[in-house]
Amino acid sequence: GENVEQHPSTLSVQEGDSAVIKCTYSDSASNYFPWYKQELGKGPQLIIDIRSNVGEKKDQRIAVTLNKTAKHFSLHITETQPEDSAVYFCAASKNTNAGKSTFGDGTTLTVKP
Amino acid sequence: DAMVIQNPRYQVTQFGKPVTLSCSQTLNHNVMYWYQQKSSQAPKLLFHYYDKDFNNEADTPDNFQSRRPNTSFCFLDIRSPGLGDAAMYLCATSSPRTGGDEQYFGPGTRLTVT
Repeated sequence: GENVEQHPSTLSVQEGDSAVIKCTYSDSASNYFPWYKQELGKGPQLIIDIRSNVGEKKDQRIAVTLNKTAKHFSLHITETQPEDSAVYFCAASKNTNAGKSTFGDGTTLTVKP
Repeated sequence: DAMVIQNPRYQVTQFGKPVTLSCSQTLNHNVMYWYQQKSSQAPKLLFHYYDKDFNNEADTPDNFQSRRPNTSFCFLDIRSPGLGDAAMYLCATSSPRTGGDEQYFGPGTRLTVT
């Protein structure tokens, strides 16, 4: 089955700096890669996603890049703000699998004012 | 507007006393999932319904059961909760049949076992 590894497990940055979280996956058939943000006491919420036919996607301060050959994808957050502090999960899935996703172990991002 | 609703948000049950958690959705999605999430860990899929078809994960204990009486509702039954079942339980939905691979999560139910 699919295996997703996520690094780092914790990340602390100063407000205004950039943050990068990286994930690798094992199943070359995976074709959908979402990123979820989970705030304390809440369920994960999708913040950005990318499909395997695209190399990069950007939404304001958030961007995701995908390298299919190397089987890794990354989340980039620029101009970080304290409200970006949360746990971030990457995931990988393939559309032949009823939408089931394999999650990474999460990264706790702390943005210091 | 809430799209995936979970009730209750906090549930306390006694060791061995059956408990039911509920989830409802207004998205008309055909897939509903139940996850267990323990502190500082990723959500762990317990099972999911693809329409009416129930799909159990291989390592989900028999103590966990689920019901989906209609498209909008799904229930998680824990027949005999143990202390190790204390966790956040997350419900999610998706609509892969219409190309929607992203999952929409509810706010979760925090289960405490005393």
